[in-house]
Formats: sequence, structure tokens, C-alpha cells
Amino acid sequence: DTAVSQTPKYLVTQMGNDKSIKCEQNLGHDTMYWYKQDSKKFLKIMFSYNNKELIINETVPNRFSPKSPDKAHLNLHINSLELGDSAVYFCASSQGQRVEQYFGPGTRLTVT
Amino acid sequence: AQRVTQPEKLLSVFKGAPVELKCNYSYSGSPELFWYVQYSRQRLQLLLRHISRESIKGFTADLNKGETSFHLKKPFAQEEDSAMYYCALQSGNTPLVFGKGTRLSVIA
Repeated sequence: DTAVSQTPKYLVTQMGNDKSIKCEQNLGHDTMYWYKQDSKKFLKIMFSYNNKELIINETVPNRFSPKSPDKAHLNLHINSLELGDSAVYFCASSQGQRVEQYFGPGTRLTVT
Repeated sequence: AQRVTQPEKLLSVFKGAPVELKCNYSYSGSPELFWYVQYSRQRLQLLLRHISRESIKGFTADLNKGETSFHLKKPFAQEEDSAMYYCALQSGNTPLVFGKGTRLSVIA
């Protein structure tokens, strides 16, 4: 099944913990992204990687660190989680940059 | 700076009525414009893009550079059109900028 997949789908954790979200795409795309969707459904880019290299790094706290071990994977590690980090995180991929992006199902992170 | 404005947070229409989801953008160059849709419990997916000038699921969107708009239209709404709709803009190699989204609710 060709798609963008994310794990876990739901993540509930306490403040101060460190957690990771994984993303994999088997579409053969060269560019991957992380987006944050807040409680008001506003979607904002966090990071973008092209061929394993960071090309976009929006204003995101440095507690968030993306890692791309290969073109098909882009993981997001979050240190010292805060209440405000609660959101849905979407991974996406595309072949090139000014083209359609394919989104993962999202990871709902709840920080208590 | 690039900006995408979707003035309506929620739009409710009756089944069979025409639908227009508004999108205005601010960018002085030649942007690439998209409409993405998120159905309940499904992932975000591309609905259409201005460059392809096609109709998907009965929806069309025309880029109006004079009014800097890219409104999404459908002549007859269906219940299955109920979803969250996002207008998005991209230019050059800058990231995709999304509007805040409009929730369309089609009432039977």
C-alpha cells in the first residue's frame, strides 16, 4: 500500500518527557515535511527535508529536532515536552517542491 | 510576506445549493495555488491546483490575479462534500503556506 505512514497515531505523555514520532513514505519522493495543526485546525510548516538535507526550518523551538536517516524517513524528536506542544503533527512528502504534497494520517500528541 | 486568508471559519449550506469557499492571498509574484481537503477521520489530500485547471468532484477554482483570489466553487453541494477545506500558496522554493481553513457543512 503506497502511502505516507506515521507512528504512533496517538501519543499521550507528561510534561518534561522526550518523545519521537516516526514518518515513512514509500512513494519514492525526495522531499519530506513536518506540519503542526493546532486546536483551531491551523496548519503550519515546521521542517522540510530534501534528499536528507534540511531545507526549511521555520521558527520552531530547538526542543524539536528532525532527523532523516534516509530519503524515505523523517522522524521528529521532541525534548522536554510542554503543554503547548499538544497538537496533531502531520508528515508529508512530495517529489520536488512546487507540487502536490501527500500527507500522513497525523499523530495526535497530548501533553498532560 | 506571503499570506492566505480564508475569511469563513464555518460555512453551512443545504444539499443542492451552490457553494463558494473564499480564498484571498497576498503575494506579488506568480504563486502556485492549491486547495486541500480533509474529510472526517481522513488525511489531508489535494483537491485541485490552479495550474491544472481541472474540475475534481464537481469543484472548480479560478485564479483571479486582479483580485488575488482563488475561490473554490461547486454548483450543487452534496452531503459527502462536508469537510475541512484549506487554501494554500507556494512560490519558488518557499514552504507551502496554508490558510486557516473553512469547515463546510452540507445539510440534508
